[in-house]
Amino acid sequence: DSGVTQTPKHLITATGQRVTLRCSPRSGDLSVYWYQQSLDQGLQFLIQYYNGEERAKGNILERFSAQQFPDLHSELNLSSLELGDSALYFCASSVEGSGSGVTQYFGPGTRLLVL
Amino acid sequence: SQKIEQNSEALNIQEGKTATLTCNYTNYSPAYLQWYRQDPGRGPVFLLLIRENEKEKRKERLKVTFDTTLKQSLFHITASQPADSATYLCALYTGGFKTIFGAGTRLFVKA
Repeated sequence: DSGVTQTPKHLITATGQRVTLRCSPRSGDLSVYWYQQSLDQGLQFLIQYYNGEERAKGNILERFSAQQFPDLHSELNLSSLELGDSALYFCASSVEGSGSGVTQYFGPGTRLLVL
Repeated sequence: SQKIEQNSEALNIQEGKTATLTCNYTNYSPAYLQWYRQDPGRGPVFLLLIRENEKEKRKERLKVTFDTTLKQSLFHITASQPADSATYLCALYTGGFKTIFGAGTRLFVKA
């Protein structure tokens, strides 16, 4: 158990809908990352927050947005969902976002299925 | 352009042998290089971190080497076991807030 929690575990929804994925980092970790992993594909970095501020952005679609709250939990919002958004979404946390505190601890993921 | 390359083909080895996985990169100057293990449907799990000024790091049956001249890291699992079967990812920390993951190499260890 990494100490990172993600909810829900599974999500089934329809095209055009909007969903929110939630992540609670390990105690003491200030940085949160979001990744998308489609079937048999590599991890695609979406976005990173450090202590409430956006720090790095990857290949995140405009339909997707995220935020990190004062209690350090994070939410990833996916809107106008398309079939191709079906994937595993991972959250990870690290002590810091830079320097030696960059080791990431991953949550169990949320499996999203868009029908 | 910047690239991280890991063998896209799966590595099949016999139990008890040493598995060696490769991570090559171009146009990066990573301060740290990490290796993670990922099982199907699960999140990656951190294994080892090696700094740019370290040549080698060991942890139990795992060994990582880091050659910044060749721009390559090798990840070794000695006395491999079927339970070592998984996908192994290398990740480069390049400074600032960026860590880049490779696509991973799938390892199958046959009993």
